[in-house]
Amino acid sequence: QSAPTQSASVSGSPGQSITISCTGTSSDVGGYDYVSWYQQHPGKAPKLMIYDVSNRPSGISNRFSASKSGNTASLTISGLQAEDEADYYCSSYTSSGTWVFGAGTKLTVL
Amino acid sequence: QVQLQQSGPGLVKPSQTLSLTCAISGDSVSRTTAAWNWIRQSPSRGLEWLGRTYYRSKWYNDSVLSVKGRLTIDPDTSKNQFSLHLNSVTPEDTAVYYCAREVSYSSSSYVDVWGQGTLVTVSS
Repeated sequence: QSAPTQSASVSGSPGQSITISCTGTSSDVGGYDYVSWYQQHPGKAPKLMIYDVSNRPSGISNRFSASKSGNTASLTISGLQAEDEADYYCSSYTSSGTWVFGAGTKLTVL
Repeated sequence: QVQLQQSGPGLVKPSQTLSLTCAISGDSVSRTTAAWNWIRQSPSRGLEWLGRTYYRSKWYNDSVLSVKGRLTIDPDTSKNQFSLHLNSVTPEDTAVYYCAREVSYSSSSYVDVWGQGTLVTVSS
């Protein structure tokens, strides 16, 4: 199972919006609405930000939104804040009954 | 509030078995709408899902193909915890290992709660 493709890095200024994409296949991202997004700060465990393509867990800011079209899922962060600087990973359920993670995107807040 | 607390050695010798335990508080390892996962992270392999154990009238286990045959995940209902055992380790198994809860409903499935992570180094 190959990992979904994510751009290595993205940057934005405070207050701006950025979008991170996650491109998989019909056997993972495109085949199931079980796509999640995680935020990870250095030395910390990943934190769930989005589940089931576009749902936010309780306590997650509505500045975080996500969607999916075909084999590509997208995470948008609006009103960028310094605390958003982190690594972001997509994850998808697969046709093998496993989970697969993207390689991660490093967000820099300028 | 669900919490997962990991324990186990941080150094394992090549060819030996890597064993970690994840203690669950605020949930049950036998819950039929949850599964209990192990995921690892290394600079070379990124985040890699390893496997899960779950109870649906009986116990099931799944694992990723790359470690199949080397990986065992055991639930312990008396202590409400689950363990990972990865045998015949090599330096390539050096990583931060995480335990994590997966919740599954009829139209919803995601990994939401993670343990604190354990850095395991395979070295003689």
